[in-house]
Amino acid sequence: DAGITQSPRHKVTETGTPVTLRCHQTENHRYMYWYRQDPGHGLRLIHYSYGVKDTDKGEVSDGYSVSRSKTEDFLLTLESATSSQTSVYFCAISPDSSNQPQHFGDGTRLSIL
Amino acid sequence: AQTVTQSQPEMSVQEAETVTLSCTYDTSENNYYLFWYKQPPSRQMILVIRQEAYKQQNATENRFSVNFQKAAKSFSLKISDSQLGDTAMYFCAFRLYEKLTFGTGTRLTIIP
Repeated sequence: DAGITQSPRHKVTETGTPVTLRCHQTENHRYMYWYRQDPGHGLRLIHYSYGVKDTDKGEVSDGYSVSRSKTEDFLLTLESATSSQTSVYFCAISPDSSNQPQHFGDGTRLSIL
Repeated sequence: AQTVTQSQPEMSVQEAETVTLSCTYDTSENNYYLFWYKQPPSRQMILVIRQEAYKQQNATENRFSVNFQKAAKSFSLKISDSQLGDTAMYFCAFRLYEKLTFGTGTRLTIIP
């Protein structure tokens, strides 16, 4: 399995608090992604990174920010969490933008009360 | 923007039977890649099979095969000799350059 670790695996927090999710990889892959999974929507891209300090928005980026200061780490931050951000969050990695599939972490279940 | 449609929210089939999951997509691009991912109750996302759009030959991985119809923009997954461990959500995904677009998934249940 691809070396991807997401932390935490589960988190419960309150509306208005900041939340940071971490994705760590040991594969030295260039691309890293954050998705959210919600019933009826499949997985939707939040943000992705194509290198250290190089990031871009996905289709559901409002309310989220990301940072990548090292190749191996990609952080997703909810500056002020809202109940609509309750979801399962997945990190994925890919070596390049060609035909290589993305490999996924085990997900983080985030509940915002 | 690319879209992926999985029109079967749920399916069930008897163990050892064959089942086909459908997927259609919309794109104006010519070179892209298609994938099927499996998500069992453990929540892991597991790659099942992939297809390059420039290849006419349908991809096969053991009991899993695809029927890729490029002109019709269709990419169905066939599971032969289905097993209890095949029970999962199945997602079709379309990749163009660095981005992956997913369908909404089909929940497949294998009945003993």
